Amino acid sequence: GQSLEQPSEVTAVEGAIVQINCTYQTSGFYGLSWYQQHDGGAPTFLSYNALDGLEETGRFSSFLSRSDSYGYLLLQELQMKDSASYFCARRAGNMLTFGGGTRLMVKP
Amino acid sequence: ETGVTQTPRHLVMGMTNKKSLKCEQHLGHNAMYWYKQSAKKPLELMFVYSLEERVENNSVPSRFSPECPNSSHLFLHLHTLQPEDSALYLCASSQTGEYGYTFGSGTRLTVV
Repeated sequence: GQSLEQPSEVTAVEGAIVQINCTYQTSGFYGLSWYQQHDGGAPTFLSYNALDGLEETGRFSSFLSRSDSYGYLLLQELQMKDSASYFCARRAGNMLTFGGGTRLMVKP
Repeated sequence: ETGVTQTPRHLVMGMTNKKSLKCEQHLGHNAMYWYKQSAKKPLELMFVYSLEERVENNSVPSRFSPECPNSSHLFLHLHTLQPEDSALYLCASSQTGEYGYTFGSGTRLTVV
């Protein structure tokens, strides 16, 4: 199958750290991507993991465990502008299949 | 113009109308995609054009018809749509060997 599971909603306060988890089905799996989408906006690419481990890009990090079919997006030093939906996406060949998205609300 | 441009941004059409959505990418990418985004649902891949080869999701109804005249332009032709087809239609492009897709801002379609 192609499905990905992630929580529908997460709330955190400004300055905190939040982790958004994603589990996926392994058939034909190449790697896991993360995208951010603000309301009314286009999804924008954040990160990609093909191998196990942690990839860090500024305040955002992404982790993959292929043996556990699991990954997460870690957002540190949360800012109000980080309020958005975050999607994990499973890559198989040149195609991406997306999870349902996690709506992150950052409160003051 | 940079990135991926979609027109129109908003479209309201009746069930008997025929319309087309347009997507243009200015990134030199060699693959383009149509996705459908409905409320409370994952982004659904509709069509892929990669190196001029078309791949489609077999669950997409025939009332949606894609056209890719060259690597920079992608169209989605719509006819006799249903109200449940109301959604945000997103175009994206990518380059073989690179990991990220670049999305357009989408066309918000309402079928009445």
